[in-house]
Amino acid sequence: EVQLVQSGPEVRKPGESLKISCKHSGYSFTNYWIGWVRQMPGKGLEWMGIIYPGDSDTRYSPSFQGQVTISADKSITTAYLQWSRLEASDTAIYYCASPRDSSDWHFDYWGQGTLVTVSS
Amino acid sequence: SYDLTQPPSVSVSPGQTASITCSGDKLGDKYASWYQQKPGQSPVLVIYQDNKRPSGIPERFSGSNSGNTATLTISGTQAIDEADYYCQAWDSSAVVFGGGTKLTVL
Repeated sequence: EVQLVQSGPEVRKPGESLKISCKHSGYSFTNYWIGWVRQMPGKGLEWMGIIYPGDSDTRYSPSFQGQVTISADKSITTAYLQWSRLEASDTAIYYCASPRDSSDWHFDYWGQGTLVTVSS
Repeated sequence: SYDLTQPPSVSVSPGQTASITCSGDKLGDKYASWYQQKPGQSPVLVIYQDNKRPSGIPERFSGSNSGNTATLTISGTQAIDEADYYCQAWDSSAVVFGGGTKLTVL
């Protein structure tokens, strides 16, 4: 069974950078896509992008292209989501999630979420 | 961009059947999935590939998808089913979520 464990809550100021993580365990990390999903306070789920650690193939939602960077480190079976310059509007819970089937992007496994607060 | 539309809220009495719809252009040509999210918790997959239930999901959850509409049906709704529900589809290397529906059991 796949488990996704995310890094802890973060508080940053506008303009600062940030990298949050999602540690994968269970089955082969390189054979599972890992996606990132944003949930702003009191709002719905928004897909940000997805990466295939096997070859680092990465796809972004047009809404997040250029705003964040998704990466993965196979050696430690961890995926990352990073910002170079945070804005207050980036305040949200961020979930990593993974499909069981590499050919169908529905998300069987979810991390516990990382709360990011951006405030001056 | 591709959009999925859900009603903001649905109410149902305990023991009755709840239906939550998700509309999108030619959605029936894609696979639809559904997630349940309770306050303070991560989403949980309850239906995938239109009508399949993951292990551990009660049989009262079912799904269908045809034309422009996917539907999540909860038969014999229980108080514990009160939650937000999101539909999701994917196409052309992009994933889309619906806006979510708050299911109230009263």
